[in-house]
Amino acid sequence: DQQVKQNSPSLSVQEGRISILNCDYTNSMFDYFLWYKKYPAEGPTFLISISSIKDKNEDGRFTVFLNKSAKHLSLHIVPSQPGDSAVYFCAASEGTYKYIFGTGTRLKVLA
Amino acid sequence: NAGVTQTPKFRVLKTGQSMTLLCAQDMNHEYMYWYRQDPGMGLRLIHYSVGEGTTAKGEVPDGYNVSRLKKQNFLLGLESAAPSQTSVYFCASVSTEIYGYTFGSGTRLTVV
Repeated sequence: DQQVKQNSPSLSVQEGRISILNCDYTNSMFDYFLWYKKYPAEGPTFLISISSIKDKNEDGRFTVFLNKSAKHLSLHIVPSQPGDSAVYFCAASEGTYKYIFGTGTRLKVLA
Repeated sequence: NAGVTQTPKFRVLKTGQSMTLLCAQDMNHEYMYWYRQDPGMGLRLIHYSVGEGTTAKGEVPDGYNVSRLKKQNFLLGLESAAPSQTSVYFCASVSTEIYGYTFGSGTRLTVV
């Protein structure tokens, strides 16, 4: 039973356009959410986070939105660049430092 | 300034063999984790530790054991490897002051 779901295994976007990656969760007690980026043969690297007291967090080209009533979060990348091509994981935790990860979305940014 | 270091990077085991994966961090982090990554399954937590001398089970602990004798090291053991344990294993650590994990570069294990 997946508590954190990324229903799109892959996404292709033109360079310069917006990439939107989605994540749904089932546990209403989750209160901290992270996005990670992973390149082949490397470990995941932390990208951006959001706590449940916020509905938006921005860091440069990356913005994470949280809709608690829908149990949904999304990552927006604007503008998308070829170097953003990677697998993106969302993760959620319930008041601890123990995160549940989604299955990942492979983003391909086309030049 | 290595961050999180995993050894070995690659290993092939025969069914029934045992091995230990080593994770070392130099950031003085309290919390350490072992995850496995499988196609279509994302990252699943095997075991974790909230401090030296403590360990706890994650989502998929069966077939694995762990030890945290020193704060900087977290060992993952496979006593009798099975083909179902073929995976990429990631170690991660986090301090109590930030929320984001720092991951190692992974160990690719194949059990034949």
